[in-house]
Order: sequence, then C-alpha cells, then structure tokens
Amino acid sequence: EIVLTQSPGTLSLSPGERATLSCRASQSVRSTYLAWYQQKPGQGPRLLIYGASSRATGIPDRFSGSGSGTDFTLTISRLEPDDFAVYYCQQYDISLTFGGGTKVEI
Amino acid sequence: QVQLVESGGGLVKPGGSLRLSCAASGFLFNDYYMSWIRQAPGKGLEWLSYISSSGTTIYYADSVQGRFTISRDNAENSLYLQMNSLRAEDTAVYYCARGQLLWGYWGQGTLVTVSS
Repeated sequence: EIVLTQSPGTLSLSPGERATLSCRASQSVRSTYLAWYQQKPGQGPRLLIYGASSRATGIPDRFSGSGSGTDFTLTISRLEPDDFAVYYCQQYDISLTFGGGTKVEI
Repeated sequence: QVQLVESGGGLVKPGGSLRLSCAASGFLFNDYYMSWIRQAPGKGLEWLSYISSSGTTIYYADSVQGRFTISRDNAENSLYLQMNSLRAEDTAVYYCARGQLLWGYWGQGTLVTVSS
C-alpha cells in the first residue's frame, strides 16, 4: 500500500496569501496518478486536481498541482474566503489511498 | 445536475448489520462505476469498494473484504452497501461517489455508529 503523508497538518493564512500544501508518497506514484480534493464541514469532498496537475471541471485557475514520483504540491495562488477548508491528496496508482489532510485556516 | 443521496445510516450494535443506499440522479447511472468511501469522525478518507457499471467487476479494501458487499440496481438508479459483522472501528460517515479511481461527484454522506 502506498502511504501518503501530507504537511503541514494545519496552515494558518490570510485571504490573498499563497498556500503551498505538500503530499509525500511512501513509494513512487506511477504516471502521476495523484489527485487533490477539497472538503468543507458537513460536505463530501470536491475533486480539484487529477493527474497531478490537471484541474477538474469548473476549478478556478488559482488552484494548481505539481510534482511527480514521491513529492507532490497543491498551490493556491491567492486564497479567497471560500478556500478555507481541508485538502486531501489521493493516489490511484496502487490501490486507492488518501493522505491525512491539511487544514487551511484563517 | 448530478445528485447522490445516501440513506440507511444509524446506530447498530457490534456484530450487527446495516444496509446503506445511494439514490443517483442527473446522469446516466448505468454508464458509470460507483464507489463507497468512508470517513471516521475527525479523521481522513478511506476508500472501501467500487463496482463497475454493469456490476460484474467489484473490488474491496482489505479492511472490509468479506464483511461488506457492494451492489447496484441500474433500473432503480441505486447503489447499495450491505455491511455485516460491524465493529466499533466501522463508525464513520459513509459516502457514495461516482467513479472508479477518481470521484468527481460525492453525496453528503450518512453516519453509521457502531456502539453497544
């Protein structure tokens, strides 16, 4: 099983600032089978990024994904009030596993 | 628009059973793989199972293999999860989601609490 470790656990930022979230895999994720989701309280997750860097339908371009192998990053270029949430990475290369999440708080 | 609505959660004793349902609308249900994913209180996400559009291909996570059974009724646009031999660690919000490896649409979830 591929274990995904997200850091930091919590990111305290202000609207307008840049957020950089990390996801590290215990072994290489082949063919960039890495996705990112956003989750708000009481809601199911929302797919943001797939294939490490492709934005899902309707996702604003302030969200970007990068990385390969074992190190992946989600960047939110300028935080808007609606972006304060928990973010999860997920790999779909070997079985299906999620990281533990990063909470982006004001 | 795509809607997924889970139901059937509740309080059950350890060793008991529960059947979850997911009503789908707004898309051609029988064209898509469907999955169940859960989230323990205050914890992260755990994929449990997926089923192919026809129901012929099914996979389970090791944690639920042999205890949970996924199924679907394409005529009713519904997805199911039969959960047997429930344990305290199965306490979670259970989500149905559209897709096999990636999930672009999720329901709001239904809470299952396993406690004596």
